[in-house]
Amino acid sequence: KNQVEQSPQSLIILEGKNCTLQCNYTVSPFSNLRWYKQDTGRGPVSLTIMTFSENTKSNGRYTATLDADTKQSSLHITASQLSDSASYICVVSGLNHGGATNKLIFGTGTLLAVQP
Amino acid sequence: NAGVTQTPKFRVLKTGQSMTLLCAQDMNHEYMYWYRQDPGMGLRLIHYSVGEGTTAKGEVPDGYNVSRLKKQNFLLGLESAAPSQTSVYFCASSYYAEFGNQPQHFGDGTRLSIL
Repeated sequence: KNQVEQSPQSLIILEGKNCTLQCNYTVSPFSNLRWYKQDTGRGPVSLTIMTFSENTKSNGRYTATLDADTKQSSLHITASQLSDSASYICVVSGLNHGGATNKLIFGTGTLLAVQP
Repeated sequence: NAGVTQTPKFRVLKTGQSMTLLCAQDMNHEYMYWYRQDPGMGLRLIHYSVGEGTTAKGEVPDGYNVSRLKKQNFLLGLESAAPSQTSVYFCASSYYAEFGNQPQHFGDGTRLSIL
């Protein structure tokens, strides 16, 4: 069964500290892996998209890594800010003849709270 | 540049009532999607469209219908609302990409309660 599991479920850190969120998946065949940020009461916003040939991608203070062999990804947040408080969702795209019909499997998210 | 706009933002219905959720995008995206988000679960795809005049079933299509008469609009209908359809509904859109590597752009959701 295609699954995406994220850990931890929730995390509290102090402003200015770094943190790393984990994503493990069993989706096969694999097309790409995405990280989204979802603020409370808002829709998800794309942070990064990585294909199987990419092992790292950055977007400002956010750096995602991918190990397609072990089917693991991480999202590292550097020098956290209060505005980083949100749910971070890992999404894995299973290859299905290409295009928008690729099946997207959403994780349940990691809820991050950054405290002053 | 509004991106993806969903209306209404909130709605309360009684069991058996019908309603239509509207999604509009101004990015000229070919693909549009409807998801529902429930506590403790990842987003689940209800229906999607790969172009004007086309629709297809997603993971949880039962109890919902959709239409895409215009490229920029994607409507989600509930013919006879049930309490199990209480959820937050998100619309998303994206460009075509051969291997689906384009990000989805989401609206801010419609919070729907069925009593």
